Amino acid sequence: DSGVTQTPKHLITATGQRVTLRCSPRSGDLSVYWYQQSLDQGLQFLIQYYNGEERAKGNILERFSAQQFPDLHSELNLSSLELGDSALYFCASSVGTGVKTQYFGPGTRLLVL
Amino acid sequence: GNSVTQMEGPVTLSEEAFLTINCTYTATGYPSLFWYVQYPGEGLQLLLKATKADDKGSNKGFEATYRKETTSFHLEKGSVQVSDSAVYFCALSDRGNRDDKIIFGKGTRLHILP
Repeated sequence: DSGVTQTPKHLITATGQRVTLRCSPRSGDLSVYWYQQSLDQGLQFLIQYYNGEERAKGNILERFSAQQFPDLHSELNLSSLELGDSALYFCASSVGTGVKTQYFGPGTRLLVL
Repeated sequence: GNSVTQMEGPVTLSEEAFLTINCTYTATGYPSLFWYVQYPGEGLQLLLKATKADDKGSNKGFEATYRKETTSFHLEKGSVQVSDSAVYFCALSDRGNRDDKIIFGKGTRLHILP
């Protein structure tokens, strides 16, 4: 158990819908990262937050957004969903910034029908 | 840009066989290197890491040495077990970058036969 929790574990929805994925980092970790794992693209970095502020963006679509709240939990919002958004979404956390070990949650599996 | 290339899978071995999974990287700065493992139905777990050239990371019988001259970080284990069946990801994080993201290889699926 990494100490990172993600909810829900599974999510099934329809095209055009909007969903919210939630992540609670390990106690004391200030950085939260979101990654997408799909069969064709592999594991890709989406976005990083540090202590409530966006720190870095990766291959995140404009239809996707995220935020980190004062209690340090984070939410990833996916809107206008398409079939191709079906993937496993991981959250990770680390103590701070810089090259620190990232601890991954169990992931949320999203299926868009 | 930065990238990680690892051997294609699946790799199938018998129990107690020697394992090598090759990994090479390209980085513009000073990367730290990682191996992550994903067991069936689970998330990613950090297996081992190395932060500078010639460092050896080790855990659970697995080892990998950071070779700057060959830009490699090959994963090895002397005697694999059925419980080692999983997908293994080689990855890097570059201190020279503004962000702290991890760049992953495509993963190598390992099957160990009893």
